[in-house]
Amino acid sequence: GNSVTQMEGPVTLSEEAFLTINCTYTATGYPSLFWYVQYPGEGLQLLLKATKADDKGSNKGFEATYRKETTSFHLEKGSVQVSDSAVYFCALVGSMNRDDKIIFGKGTRLHILP
Amino acid sequence: DTGVSQDPRHKITKRGQNVTFRCDPISEHNRLYWYRQTLGQGPEFLTYFQNEAQLEKSRLLSDRFSAERPKGSFSTLEIQRTEQGDSAMYLCASSFRGSKAGELFFGEGSRLTVL
Repeated sequence: GNSVTQMEGPVTLSEEAFLTINCTYTATGYPSLFWYVQYPGEGLQLLLKATKADDKGSNKGFEATYRKETTSFHLEKGSVQVSDSAVYFCALVGSMNRDDKIIFGKGTRLHILP
Repeated sequence: DTGVSQDPRHKITKRGQNVTFRCDPISEHNRLYWYRQTLGQGPEFLTYFQNEAQLEKSRLLSDRFSAERPKGSFSTLEIQRTEQGDSAMYLCASSFRGSKAGELFFGEGSRLTVL
């Protein structure tokens, strides 16, 4: 079945550092890929998405590129801020049948130090 | 529309009791999902609906769990004979289907504590 694996946290960085959170997936066909974020005390919200190979999703300075050859969708940001401290979840929905559930990774907690 | 709302936000119950959670999705959305989240884990799929039809239920879900979405609007998740292992945050989300599938709007969750 479909699955998502993301790097374990917590990840601790200083403000303005470069961020990478790794995500790899297993799926048949061409899934759509997502990053969700959960800020402290808030519900999950969609950060960005990519629906086909080589697509780049971007939002709030974050980017992720859909790499089919490496089955990856790594999240990157060039200069993190304290306000980026949150838990980040990689997710996918299968493409073989759009009537499919969304599968989430376990999440990566990010701490940004001022 | 104010988004997805869940009720109650917190529920403390004794083992063996039944609990019910309610979710009101965004009104235009035809899909509704239930997930469970425990500390340090990602959302675990429980079940989801397309309008009033329940399309899939997780094989990991015991028969003590049941969900409904009458008339394709709000949904309820009932847990019968609760166990301590049921303690978790229960998340509801809604979305459109088709090309927007996967773009979920989550509620703030209902936290269950089973004593």
